[in-house]
Parts: sequence; C-alpha cells; structure tokens
Amino acid sequence: ELKVEQNPLFLSMQEGKNYTIYCNYSTTSDRLYWYRQDPGKSLESLFVLLSNGAVKQEGRLMASLDTKARLSTLHITAAVHDLSATYFCAALLYSGGGADGLTFGKGTHLIIQP
Amino acid sequence: DSGVTQTPKHLITATGQRVTLRCSPRSGDLSVYWYQQSLDQGLQFLIQYYNGEERAKGNILERFSAQQFPDLHSELNLSSLELGDSALYFCASSVDGFGYGYTFGSGTRLTVV
Repeated sequence: ELKVEQNPLFLSMQEGKNYTIYCNYSTTSDRLYWYRQDPGKSLESLFVLLSNGAVKQEGRLMASLDTKARLSTLHITAAVHDLSATYFCAALLYSGGGADGLTFGKGTHLIIQP
Repeated sequence: DSGVTQTPKHLITATGQRVTLRCSPRSGDLSVYWYQQSLDQGLQFLIQYYNGEERAKGNILERFSAQQFPDLHSELNLSSLELGDSALYFCASSVDGFGYGYTFGSGTRLTVV
C-alpha cells in the first residue's frame, strides 16, 4: 500500500526566508504531484515530476524528485505573504494498465508573516 | 476556471438522506476521479471511471456509489448520510487512464446536520 508522508505539517516563517517541505513515499511511484490549496478552495496544480532527478521551478517555488530515496522536496525561496497556503504532495501508481487514484500527504499548512 | 465543473457548490442535508453530486470533466478528458477531503481523513481517493467503466476503487464506503454516463459526466451518490460524511468532495479529470493532465474541480461542500 502506497503511503505518503509530509513534513512539516505546519510551518510559520518570515518573508524573505527560505524553507523546504519534504515528501516521502513508501513504494515506487510513477508520478509525484505538488498542489496548492487556499482555504475552502480547490487544488491548484503546481508541479508534476515524472523521473528521477527531475527538477521544476516556477517563480519562488522549486520541486525535485529523488526516486531512489523516495523523496520529493518543495523549496521556497525568499518567501512572500502570497505563498501562504496549504501544500500537498501526492503520489500516483500505475496498476492493471492504468493509474490508480492519487495518494495524498496530510498537507503542510504554511503561514508567511511580514 | 479549470474546466472541470462540479455542482452544486454547497449542499446541506439531514442525516439519513441521499444526495447526488455531479461532475462534468474537461472537454476531451475520458477519466473522472472522485475525492473526499475532511479534517479527520484528509484527502482520500474514492473511485475512478474511465470512458464509462469503473477503473479503480479507493476508500469508498458501501453507502456511496458512482457512475459515468455516455456523455462522460459523472455522478457520485451518497446515501444514508451520517454527520461524518460532511466534507469537501472533489472531482478531477484527466485525458487518459494514466493521469495525464490531472485537473481538479472546485468541489462540492456537503454539510450533514
């Protein structure tokens, strides 16, 4: 059974600082997703990581994937208040000729203070 | 707008009742997935349909059922509702059965009183 663990679950940081959110998964995964969710809103796709060593960047966010360590990271550079949200990682497995549902971590509730 | 349409946005109902949530996938997407988000359980995969056929099942209760129609829209039926069923229910769609272009709808907030 695929399990996904995120840490930290709660993070309060100051604007301008850097930090990393970690996502470990228990078995081989075929795709790794990062999502952002604002309170009461839908899930906004940030990154899809497909292969070992994949690195993707968008603005102040950068995601990476190490399939051997079963670890993905979401790095925040020079945080700004607008990045305050809950961030989820999710892993996808293929089985029986198609994809199963996403298995999500519990989410990291990020608060960025001025 | 993600292109995945869910209705209604909010639903309040009493325990023991039955409700139906509706999802229209993005144009061209063949797969529909249903998820439940609650404070207790987090985000959980319920069920997936691909081109009208059930493709994968997750933690879906026996009181819940779903189907995908020939026009590819999907409905999630929740019956004998309990207080613990109160949650955000998300639908997502993808182009194929391999999760390409996975996109979430805005969700239906269900409150059981």
